[in-house]
Amino acid sequence: NAGVTQTPKFQVLKTGQSMTLQCAQDMNHNSMYWYRQDPGMGLRLIYYSASEGTTDKGEVPNGYNVSRLNKREFSLRLESAAPSQTSVYFCASSKQGRNQPQHFGDGTRLSIL
Amino acid sequence: DQQVKQNSPSLSVQEGRISILNCDYTNSMFDYFLWYKKYPAEGPTFLISISSIKDKNEDGRFTVFLNKSAKHLSLHIVPSQPGDSAVYFCAASAGASSNDYKLSFGAGTTVTVRA
Repeated sequence: NAGVTQTPKFQVLKTGQSMTLQCAQDMNHNSMYWYRQDPGMGLRLIYYSASEGTTDKGEVPNGYNVSRLNKREFSLRLESAAPSQTSVYFCASSKQGRNQPQHFGDGTRLSIL
Repeated sequence: DQQVKQNSPSLSVQEGRISILNCDYTNSMFDYFLWYKKYPAEGPTFLISISSIKDKNEDGRFTVFLNKSAKHLSLHIVPSQPGDSAVYFCAASAGASSNDYKLSFGAGTTVTVRA
């Protein structure tokens, strides 16, 4: 039972490089989310997709783009990486509707030099 | 400005005793609250939740209490076990849309259970 799978687990980039973080879920969930976790900040929502074909900005969307490729997959792209984007990125999914717990992947640790 | 605050970064408790984790929120529109548990190098996992129409929800060793007037919730773990050593995140949602919900997270509390 894989749940939410994120690739890669680790990545080091140079400032200005581009990168796509991949996320796939096998729970037939409609809603998917991207968060970043920084020390002392908790998790902050970057973008979310309530259902296939829709995406919306979260709390910290600047510098990121997303693609909901199909129901299973939701990718996060950094077009021109900056050191401030060094973080741990988590993808999550949930059933559509209120009060549905989100299920998280194990994260991608991204360092930008 | 963080709308969900966990003011205790860490908590150390002896095995078998009670762990009490606290969380405060500022947004009066929050009406659903969750606790997540996170081990190192893993993603958060859902632990327990409570709706604003209740003041208590219990699931085995875990109980969440909600005090709406004080905008405060707490998680009680009793008895604490070594496997409970983890980071605990408090989260809240305001339910603006019926189709999805966005969570606001606190910064987390690291719990260490001593043998």
